[in-house]
Amino acid sequence: DTGVSQDPRHKITKRGQNVTFRCDPISEHNRLYWYRQTLGQGPEFLTYFQNEAQLEKSRLLSDRFSAERPKGSFSTLEIQRTEQGDSAMYLCASSSPGLFLNEQFFGPGTRLTVL
Amino acid sequence: QQQVKQSPQSLIVQKGGISIINCAYENTAFDYFPWYQQFPGKGPALLIAIRPDVSEKKEGRFTISFNKSAKQFSLHIMDSQPGDSATYFCAASISGSARQLTFGSGTQLTVLP
Repeated sequence: DTGVSQDPRHKITKRGQNVTFRCDPISEHNRLYWYRQTLGQGPEFLTYFQNEAQLEKSRLLSDRFSAERPKGSFSTLEIQRTEQGDSAMYLCASSSPGLFLNEQFFGPGTRLTVL
Repeated sequence: QQQVKQSPQSLIVQKGGISIINCAYENTAFDYFPWYQQFPGKGPALLIAIRPDVSEKKEGRFTISFNKSAKQFSLHIMDSQPGDSATYFCAASISGSARQLTFGSGTQLTVLP
């Protein structure tokens, strides 16, 4: 399967714990996005990488959140001191500037539950 | 501030009928308008997309109609099938930037057999 993959698919944690999610984009895609989706809502943009550079961050990305994309390949999203309000589906998407109309391809997401 | 408003929130259609979902946007800088389909437990999948230099785009049973002056666009699903039952999201983005997608709130479509 050459699509976007995310790991883990589900994560249950206690409030105050740190969690880290991983995203592996489609191999030739140099653009990578993180979104957050809460129940009954559309995905909301969190942050964007072009290769290894983090070029844009949403105001939703508080200082408890950090994202990296070393070497421009996979990306990680870490949430420190989790809060119940962090419970959501975290989606990763990738894209290539060569694609017509900047199509973004989404992974299956990581569902986070904070108890 | 919600920049893309989507309606209806839910839609029930008989098999073979036409499903219509509407979206309106505020930011006139948006120049790319995709529709995504999402099944439970899955990530969104791109269905069809349009740029504002055309008023309509058709791919199979799916058609986007775009009205630039009204800042509105809609998805029409012809001959709706039970397998089309999913949540549909409209979205918009701006070229030349990070091109992050701004999504609508979604429409849960149920197609009855």
